[in-house]
Amino acid sequence: QVQLQESGPGLVKPSQTLSLTCTVSGGSISGSSYYWTWIRQPVGKGLEWIGRVYMSGTTKYNPSLKSRVTISVDTSKSQFSLNLTSVTAADTAVYYCARDRVPVVRGDYYGMDVWGQGTTVTVSS
Amino acid sequence: QSVLTQPPSASATPGQRVTISCSGSSSNIGPNTVNWYQHLPETAPKLLIFTNNQRPSGVPDRFSGSKSGTSASLAISGLQSDDEADYYCSTWDDTLSAYVFGTGTKVTVL
Repeated sequence: QVQLQESGPGLVKPSQTLSLTCTVSGGSISGSSYYWTWIRQPVGKGLEWIGRVYMSGTTKYNPSLKSRVTISVDTSKSQFSLNLTSVTAADTAVYYCARDRVPVVRGDYYGMDVWGQGTTVTVSS
Repeated sequence: QSVLTQPPSASATPGQRVTISCSGSSSNIGPNTVNWYQHLPETAPKLLIFTNNQRPSGVPDRFSGSKSGTSASLAISGLQSDDEADYYCSTWDDTLSAYVFGTGTKVTVL
């Protein structure tokens, strides 16, 4: 059974870079069937998709965050990572990593079926 | 601001049925399938419905999803106290080229 676990600092100073890692266990991160995804939920707000990476390293980002986000994958470590630069208080949130199945047929989205437990990141000096 | 609109809240008494709507457009729900997530406090979201109306293994058949045009809905029948949670619709938006979530609906069991 595939499990995901986020790790990284719980406190980041304004203007610095938020860096998180998601470790995949119980299954392969190199499979062709999945995207590896980051989602966040600011306090009192809804879910926000940050972006995703494929095993090849191909990425897609939320346009609202694109200028500040980098998601990468390290298949040798079964990990994928999130870097978010120039953070502000608005980036304070619970950050989740998740597995998202690649559509076989265009338009058929299967959803994120495995999630990490989430990690709280606070941006504050 | 989300491109998928949900009512902020919904409620019903135990045993009753509650329905949550999700309104989108021709760039998201129109051409793509819709997924629904249940989010309980202090836990990770859980995939409840995928590709409009399919339930992952382990999800009770009290939960059902449907889609028509640029809208989708989630129905919970036989409401239970454990169903108190936030529910989110989601899909891909072809214009934004991004995955989008709905605004979320808080379900309260009266």
